[in-house]
Amino acid sequence: DIVMTQAPLSSPVTLGQPASISCRSSQSLVHSDGNTYLSWLQQRPGQPPRLLVYKISNRFSGVPDRFSGSGAGTDFTLKISRVEAEDVGVYYCTQATQFPYTFGQGTKLEIK
Amino acid sequence: EVQLLESGGGLVQPGGSLRLSCAASGFTFSSYAMSWVRQAPGKGLEWVSAISDSGGSTYYADSVKGRFTISRDSSKNSLYLQMNNLRADDTAVYYCAKRSADYWGQGTLVTVSS
Repeated sequence: DIVMTQAPLSSPVTLGQPASISCRSSQSLVHSDGNTYLSWLQQRPGQPPRLLVYKISNRFSGVPDRFSGSGAGTDFTLKISRVEAEDVGVYYCTQATQFPYTFGQGTKLEIK
Repeated sequence: EVQLLESGGGLVQPGGSLRLSCAASGFTFSSYAMSWVRQAPGKGLEWVSAISDSGGSTYYADSVKGRFTISRDSSKNSLYLQMNNLRADDTAVYYCAKRSADYWGQGTLVTVSS
């Protein structure tokens, strides 16, 4: 199974400041079709997860442009350019390159 | 608007069975693979199972293989998860998701306890 490791697990951030979350996979996420199926999810308190970014760097419909994804191979990053109060929650990276699909442990974003 | 609505959760004794349903709308259900993902109380996300758009291919996490069965009925735009021989560590909110994670339902809580 592909192990997804996120860092940090907790991130206190000041409103208006940037935030960054790292995700590392135990093996390359490049699929045989050439795509890299690495996504980022946001889960606000009491809510189901919501897709933010897919295939490393593509923002999903309705996602603010302050969210951006980058990376390649086994190392990926989600960046929030200026954190807003509504960004509080847990962020997960997930891979859908190979079964079983796997998730990172989650990074809790909170406001300082 | 894509909508996914899970149902069928509840309290069940260890060794018991439950069938979860997910009613889909707002997209061409028969064109997309679907997944079940669960989240134990206070814990992270765990992928459970997936099914291809045609239903011809199914995939399972090792933790549920042989006990859970995923299926779909495109005539009803519905996804199912038959859960047998339930254990305490199956207690979780179960979400259905379009493809691997495009859209998510609100989830249905399954509690396995005597």
